Amino acid sequence: AQSVAQPEDQVNVAEGNPLTVKCTYSVSGNPYLFWYVQYPNRGLQFLLKYITGDNLVKGSYGFEAEFNKSQTSFHLKKPSALVSDSALYFCAVSYPPTGTASKLTFGTGTRLQVTL
Amino acid sequence: NAGVTQTPKFQVLKTGQSMTLQCAQDMNHNSMYWYRQDPGMGLRLIYYSASEGTTDKGEVPNGYNVSRLNKREFSLRLESAAPSQTSVYFCASSEDRSYTDTQYFGPGTRLTVL
Repeated sequence: AQSVAQPEDQVNVAEGNPLTVKCTYSVSGNPYLFWYVQYPNRGLQFLLKYITGDNLVKGSYGFEAEFNKSQTSFHLKKPSALVSDSALYFCAVSYPPTGTASKLTFGTGTRLQVTL
Repeated sequence: NAGVTQTPKFQVLKTGQSMTLQCAQDMNHNSMYWYRQDPGMGLRLIYYSASEGTTDKGEVPNGYNVSRLNKREFSLRLESAAPSQTSVYFCASSEDRSYTDTQYFGPGTRLTVL
């Protein structure tokens, strides 16, 4: 069975500092990995995804993620955090359809708090 | 282009009442999904529809039914609401059945069952 783990419930970082939100995965076969962000009282917004190719994936709002196959990780990063980045971040893995639509399995989420 | 829209935004029900959550997308996507979000549990798939006329169970389908009314619309029905169904419900859609496709989410419906 496919799964993702987000080991930190909350990450605190000062504005201007680099941030990392961790995600590890467990899949059989090739992993297809996604990051979404949820601002308060809003739906999930797509940030980026890894399908194949370059291990460093660039996404929206200056975010990027590094795929590491040997460590089965897909950590989300940003070189310089903004207060407006404060939100709930979800890692997800997609698994192949078995005759029907593809499906996502989500991690439990990590709350990012950026302070001045 | 509104993307994925959901109605209502908020709803309070009493135990045993029924209701239907509505979802529509204007991106001409083939696949649509219903998730619930509970604190500390991430999002869990309730039902999905790969195409118009087809629906399948997800991880937590008990107590729910769905209808793919047409390509645009996918509704979720609670026949007899229970307090355990208090949650935030999200609808999503994606272009086709490739597992590399991005899912796009609606703004959610916050449901409380008393």
